[in-house]
Amino acid sequence: GNSVTQMEGPVTLSEEAFLTINCTYTATGYPSLFWYVQYPGEGLQLLLKATKADDKGSNKGFEATYRKETTSFHLEKGSVQVSDSAVYFCALSGGSGGYNKLIFGAGTRLAVHP
Amino acid sequence: GAGVSQSPSNKVTEKGKDVELRCDPISGHTALYWYRQSLGQGLEFLIYFQGNSAPDKSGLPSDRFSAERTGGSVSTLTIQRTQQEDSAVYLCASSLKTAGAGTPAFFGPGTRLTVL
Repeated sequence: GNSVTQMEGPVTLSEEAFLTINCTYTATGYPSLFWYVQYPGEGLQLLLKATKADDKGSNKGFEATYRKETTSFHLEKGSVQVSDSAVYFCALSGGSGGYNKLIFGAGTRLAVHP
Repeated sequence: GAGVSQSPSNKVTEKGKDVELRCDPISGHTALYWYRQSLGQGLEFLIYFQGNSAPDKSGLPSDRFSAERTGGSVSTLTIQRTQQEDSAVYLCASSLKTAGAGTPAFFGPGTRLTVL
């Protein structure tokens, strides 16, 4: 079945550092890929998405490129801020699993220090 | 507000009691989902509604769990004879139409359930 694997956290960075959170997936067909973010005390929010190979999703300075050849959707940001501290979830829908649900990775906690 | 709302925000119950959790999706969203977020299990899909029908119930962990949706809007997740392992945050999400390529789901703030 479909699955998503994320790098384990926590990831601890200083402000203005470069961020990469790795995400790989297993799916047949052509799933859609998402990054969701959960800020402290808040609900899950969609951060960005990509629906086909080589698409780049971007939002709030974050980017992720749908790489079918490596089945990856790594999240990157060039310069993180303290306000980016949150838990980040990679997710997919579609492919053989159908579009009825999102399948999430375990989440990666990011802590950014001044 | 315009987002997904859930009630109650917190629920503490005793083992063996029944609980009902409510979700109000975004107006006009025909698809509705329930997820569970717990420390050991991450985010687990429970059930998907399209309108009032539930074509995918594959994530419900046992027959103690049930859900319904009325009027294509409000949904209720019911857990009967609660157990301590049911303690988790229950998340509801909705999306504009039948989930398709790239259709994003919008999540509510969740209900934190604690079973003593």
